[in-house]
Parts: sequence; C-alpha cells; structure tokens
Amino acid sequence: EVQLVESGGGLVQPGRPLRLSCTTSGLTFSDHAMNWVRQAPGKGLEWVGLIRSQTYGGTTEYAASVKGRVTISRDESKSTAYLQMNSLKVEDTAVYYCTSSTSELPLAPLDIWGQGTMVTVSS
Amino acid sequence: AIRMTQSPSSLSASTGDRVTITCRASQGISSFLAWYQQKPGKAPKLLISATATLQPGVPSRFSGSASGTDFTLTISDLQSEDFGTYYCQQYYTYLYSFGQGTNLEIK
Repeated sequence: EVQLVESGGGLVQPGRPLRLSCTTSGLTFSDHAMNWVRQAPGKGLEWVGLIRSQTYGGTTEYAASVKGRVTISRDESKSTAYLQMNSLKVEDTAVYYCTSSTSELPLAPLDIWGQGTMVTVSS
Repeated sequence: AIRMTQSPSSLSASTGDRVTITCRASQGISSFLAWYQQKPGKAPKLLISATATLQPGVPSRFSGSASGTDFTLTISDLQSEDFGTYYCQQYYTYLYSFGQGTNLEIK
C-alpha cells in the first residue's frame, strides 16, 4: 500500500522558518514527482509546488504566492520529500498536504495524498 | 498561470437527483483536467482524470466531459455519501491550479 506521511507542522511565529517532511512507502520514490498542496482554514486547495523525479531532472516549480520563500527538496536515500518554508506569514496558516501520482509522467493527476499536517503561523 | 473558474460555489440537492458542476479554464488545457472530492477533515480524493477517466472504485454515477475549455462533472442518481466539496484541477502545465471548489450538500 502506498503511503505518504507528513510531519513537522505546528505553531510558529511570523518570520520564522519551518520544514515539513513527507515520508513515503510503497512506491519507488525516485520515479515520482512530489507535490505540496495547502488548504487554509475554510478555504480551497492551493498548489504550492513540486519537485520532479530524478528521471526528469529533480527540478522544482513553485506557486507565485510562495516563490522565493519556499524550497522543495528530496532525499532519495530516505524516500522523503521536504518543504522548507522561510519568513512565514500569518497567511501561510494551512493544512499542508504532500501528494503525488502513481503515474511517473511529469504532468499527472494527484492520486496519492498524505493525511496533511497543520501549520499555524501566529505570534 | 492558468485560472480555473468553478461553478456553482455551492449547491444542495436530493438523493436521486442529477447534479452538474462546471469548471472553465482560462486557456486551453487539452484533456488534462482532474476532479477531486474532499470530505471534511480529510485529504482530497481523485475521482476523475484526463477529463473523463474514472478512477478505480469510483461509482459509475460520476462522469466527466468537456467542450473546449469548459469541463463538467456530473453526478447522476445522487447518493447521501456524495456530500463534500468538489474541486477541478488542471495539470496541463505548471503551475498546477485548482478551481475554487463546489460544496455539495444533500438535502
């Protein structure tokens, strides 16, 4: 069974950094792009960014709303993806989902989701 | 960035009804359109990919179609378990983008 498990969420002060982790099991991690999607309380889904598989260069893409403040990385040896968020703002408060696709294509629908981890940015 | 405009934002329907949710892309996205269902407190679940391909285990009362840049999710014979929020998403190009969501309530 494929599983994505996020961790690292919590309460953080504005301006501080936070790193989320997404540990995977049940899939060949190196073959799959990893995405982050967030959902502010009571709001819709917002795609944050992704890191491509090594097959496609392991490069990253970011939403305009977070570009320059977040970095997505991956550790093949740990089958884990990371979302490093810097200079956090109150409006970054959200549930952050790690998500991927069973397809190895670079553009694919997201059929694998973690349970989400809550990030609250508040003083 | 491609903008996905979804409507209606909410709707209420009775079991047995047929409901339609529409999503319009701001530019052509070929058939790279997915539909998700999200229940409160849960992660989204992929229902349909490539505009009209049902995911394994998704009931056949769900269907998807398209006309140009207009995409439609139809639920026929609505069941009580179909409540939740539905989102469209384009994966034609980065940056991926979602519609605003449609909250479906069962009367």
